[in-house]
Formats: sequence, structure tokens, C-alpha cells
Amino acid sequence: SQQGEEDPQALSIQEGENATMNCSYKTSINNLQWYRQNSGRGLVHLILIRSNEREKHSGRLRVTLDTSKKSSSLLITASRAADTASYFCATAPTDSWGKLQFGAGTQVVVTP
Amino acid sequence: GAVVSQHPSWVICKSGTSVKIECRSLDFQATTMFWYRQFPKQSLMLMATSNEGSKATYEQGVEKDKFLINHASLTLSTLTVTSAHPEDSSFYICSARGIQSYTFGSGTRLTVV
Repeated sequence: SQQGEEDPQALSIQEGENATMNCSYKTSINNLQWYRQNSGRGLVHLILIRSNEREKHSGRLRVTLDTSKKSSSLLITASRAADTASYFCATAPTDSWGKLQFGAGTQVVVTP
Repeated sequence: GAVVSQHPSWVICKSGTSVKIECRSLDFQATTMFWYRQFPKQSLMLMATSNEGSKATYEQGVEKDKFLINHASLTLSTLTVTSAHPEDSSFYICSARGIQSYTFGSGTRLTVV
């Protein structure tokens, strides 16, 4: 079953702008991960944030995690047309070893 | 980095036939692999957890006799869709759990006609 909810469902921005998407979940987690999926392709791992971390950076990506609110956000700065994709959050619940629970995803379109 | 090879990338089959999808971890051993199904513009739904040398664990609502999973080695898991029907048409993705994270295959687009 899906644990995460993401908003917005879709996001359309211009190159150079920042894109922010949010993810909420319901159970206790070991970590939360963000993935990217280009249309009709597999998933690419972007970043993992552990439950004891609050913020993490990787290149133009910034992820925050608020375990008290059971939410996370992904910020893509200075977006590029190549960032056009669907972005999914996935949680690793503490009581379901190894199984990832995916959010509904945010479809991001970056126009030149 | 870790690579998971999934084949075929797409397949069209006739209703009633069976289709096998392979998922290989190329440069690491994966004792556990996961199989997901994804409908257009939707998220990934976990179908089953594939464990090397033992039976797969299926999620609620997934027919184990229809979706046969075999994990015969530390680098290979297969998903066989038996007696496929048009409603089985979907995008199937495997994932292997490594030490630090999960690596996904590129997916298989199955179309049953």
C-alpha cells in the first residue's frame, strides 16, 4: 500500500527557477529517499536522508526531513530542462525490513 | 556504482501466454530483490519481495500463482507473468537492495494483446 503522499502532483516551472515538492508519510521510518523517473524508465536514486538527519544537500538538491510532522521536502535549485521528470519519495518503515513505500509522485516540467 | 540490468525493456505478447522478465545485479550480490508494478502516471506498487534461495513474499492482493518469482542466485531474479491477460499490461520494475541504497532496473513495458 502507498504510504506517502506528495504535493504538488504536478509542477511546471521555467529554467532557472527552483522547484519544491513535499512528501508526507504515516509510520516511523529508518530513512527517506528521493528518486527520479524519466518517462517510461526506471528509477534513479537521488538522495537518502536518515531519520536522525534534518537536512541534506547533494549538488543542486536539498532535502529536509521533519520526523515530528512526518514530512520531507525536495528542493531543486536553478532547474534545467533536463530536470523534467517525475520525482518520488520512498520511505523505509522501521517495521517492514527492506520494503520501500513510495509516494504518489510529483511530475515536474521545466520549460526552457 | 551498482547496476541492475532488467530485460526485456519491452514485450508484446498474446493473451494466454507467459512472459519472463529478468533482473540481474551486475556488480554486486543481492540477497533480496523487489518487484514493482506501475500503471501510467501512477506510483510504484510493491508486488513481492524476492529472497535468494527461498520463496518470495507477496504483498496482499498479488496472486502468487500468476506472478511467479524465482531468485535462484545472488545476482538473478525472474518474474514470470503466467497466462497473461490485457489487464496485466503494465510497467514492471525490479529493485535490488545493496549496502547503502536500492538500485532499480530500467523497467519492462508489458503489453498483452
